[in-house]
Amino acid sequence: GAVVSQHPSRVICKSGTSVKIECRSLDFQATTMFWYRQFPKQSLMLMATSNEGSKATYEQGVEKDKFLINHASLTLSTLTVTSAHPEDSSFYICSARAPATNEKLFFGSGTQLSVL
Amino acid sequence: KQEVTQIPAALSVPEGENLVLNCSFTDSAIYNLQWFRQDPGKGLTSLLLIQSSQREQTSGRLNASLDKSSGRSTLYIAASQPGDSATYLCAPTGGGNKLTFGTGTQLKVEL
Repeated sequence: GAVVSQHPSRVICKSGTSVKIECRSLDFQATTMFWYRQFPKQSLMLMATSNEGSKATYEQGVEKDKFLINHASLTLSTLTVTSAHPEDSSFYICSARAPATNEKLFFGSGTQLSVL
Repeated sequence: KQEVTQIPAALSVPEGENLVLNCSFTDSAIYNLQWFRQDPGKGLTSLLLIQSSQREQTSGRLNASLDKSSGRSTLYIAASQPGDSATYLCAPTGGGNKLTFGTGTQLKVEL
């Protein structure tokens, strides 16, 4: 089946630093990828839709200057949390739809971000 | 705005039991609905996808049904095993191809 790889799986950083998370589709090309965040014991909330070669579409309430998304190729999207603060600590997950899978969504394994 | 509710929030059953997880959604204008499994600290694994025109989908011991008009879906797990222990999420796909996730049902299957 389709595989989405997300890296790193866990990152601890100091407040004020920036953190980049990568999401790769390993065996298919993804024109669209999605970024979610999940707080403990809560469901996934869509942050933004990443479109290859164009600007990402952000959900209401998500700061685009805070969460920079780049989708430079058909297999790679990155999320950069800029000037991270403790309240940005969360579980971030990316996903993509693989062609010929009847619209199924495949997820990366997630990144646990802890900002000290 | 789509709202998704999953009941129960948590469930603990002995191994071998058949069980039903419930999902309800407020906006019936959906393209499809997916059920996912999430293990602690991990991403999501797609279990089943039901198109809006379908009534059910089956994969192994899993069967998912969809009643779009009433805004309900159920996930039936037959002969549960300890390895089924996880959080199960349902997510209808609506306008803009966006998924809305429920808060999940945390399942524990005990030996």
